[in-house]
Amino acid sequence: DGGITQSPKYLFRKEGQNVTLSCEQNLNHDAMYWYRQDPGQGLRLIYYSQIVNDFQKGDIAEGYSVSREKKESFPLTVTSAQKNPTAFYLCASSEGQGRTEAFFGQGTRLTVV
Amino acid sequence: AQSVAQPEDQVNVAEGNPLTVKCTYSVSGNPYPFWYVQYPNRGLQFLLKYITGDNLVKGSYGFEAEFNKSQTSFHLKKPSALVSDSALYFCAVRAAGGSYIPTFGRGTSLIVHP
Repeated sequence: DGGITQSPKYLFRKEGQNVTLSCEQNLNHDAMYWYRQDPGQGLRLIYYSQIVNDFQKGDIAEGYSVSREKKESFPLTVTSAQKNPTAFYLCASSEGQGRTEAFFGQGTRLTVV
Repeated sequence: AQSVAQPEDQVNVAEGNPLTVKCTYSVSGNPYPFWYVQYPNRGLQFLLKYITGDNLVKGSYGFEAEFNKSQTSFHLKKPSALVSDSALYFCAVRAAGGSYIPTFGRGTSLIVHP
């Protein structure tokens, strides 16, 4: 089945610790995105990538980092510099241009303990 | 910069009644608006999109949306609501000739009462 897979589903982070969220797609999409979802705030763009080895900051990139070494993979690292990381994180992919919809993973819920 | 507005945080409707969830957008270039639905602790699922042609778009689960270019709106509708339609609905937009990045509204919680 074609799709986009996020792991883990739940993640707990200690103060001062970096954690990495995985996102893999087998849809052959050029573009991939990371969004953060908080109650009442909708989806806010963290980082996006249109092509391998290239990515751009979104609206709330501070405290996060990404890589795009392979077309199918776009991992997100939440660093200790992110002061309020508890949130629901969504990865998505789409064709780079045009009128097509984005496909979403099932999300990772990150909690600071 | 492109933006999407969903003016209602919550919409309440009785089962069997028609429902409307509102969305307006602002983009540079031709707009391609979308609707997605989200169930608790899940990712977003695509419902429908406008490309060109008929301004009334039909999508999944009996939902439809009306594209109005002059009012830059793309309201989601359903003639007869079901309790199982209760979920969080997001409007999004991409633009041709502008930013290809999907921009999302804040979401509208639809509650259908039995």
